[in-house]
Amino acid sequence: QQQVKQSPQSLIVQKGGISIINCAYENTAFDYFPWYQQFPGKGPALLIAIRPDVSEKKEGRFTISFNKSAKQFSLHIMDSQPGDSATYFCAASANSGYSTLTFGKGTMLLVSP
Amino acid sequence: NAGVTQTPKFQVLKTGQSMTLQCAQDMNHEYMSWYRQDPGMGLRLIHYSVGAGITDQGEVPNGYNVSRSTTEDFPLRLLSAAPSQTSVYFCASSLQGLRQETQYFGPGTRLLVL
Repeated sequence: QQQVKQSPQSLIVQKGGISIINCAYENTAFDYFPWYQQFPGKGPALLIAIRPDVSEKKEGRFTISFNKSAKQFSLHIMDSQPGDSATYFCAASANSGYSTLTFGKGTMLLVSP
Repeated sequence: NAGVTQTPKFQVLKTGQSMTLQCAQDMNHEYMSWYRQDPGMGLRLIHYSVGAGITDQGEVPNGYNVSRSTTEDFPLRLLSAAPSQTSVYFCASSLQGLRQETQYFGPGTRLLVL
């Protein structure tokens, strides 16, 4: 049972465009939603995270939008740059126990120059 | 700080062989965990530890053993490797394992089981 569904699998965006990656979850116990960025040959690194008590969080060119009723959240990358080309993972953590993360399957983003 | 370090970077094993993947962190983090990453599958939790002497199973624990004798180290043992364990393994750590804490990932170990 896949608890966090991520789409699309891959995405090509032109430089300066907006990249949008979507995730949906099933477990209503999830209450912390981080996004990780992974460059080839490297480990994932935290990009931005959101709690369900807010509908949007922005950090620079990266924005998370959160829809609690629909159990969906998305990452928007504004003014996408070639340096943003990486694999992006959404994740979720439940409100009990420790910070064990359930990851989506990942989105490979390519920003063309 | 070196952060989270993992050794080896690459390893080739034959079916049935055993090996230990090493993970160390120098941030005095209590929480450490192991994930495996397979193409199109995201990262899946294998085992985690909330402090020295305390470990627990994650989503895919079968075929793997862990122990935590020190705060710094969290090795992952494959007792009898199988081709299905071919994967990239990541170790991660956070301060106390609380949900809102940043988890720091190591660079990964790429394992091929023939």
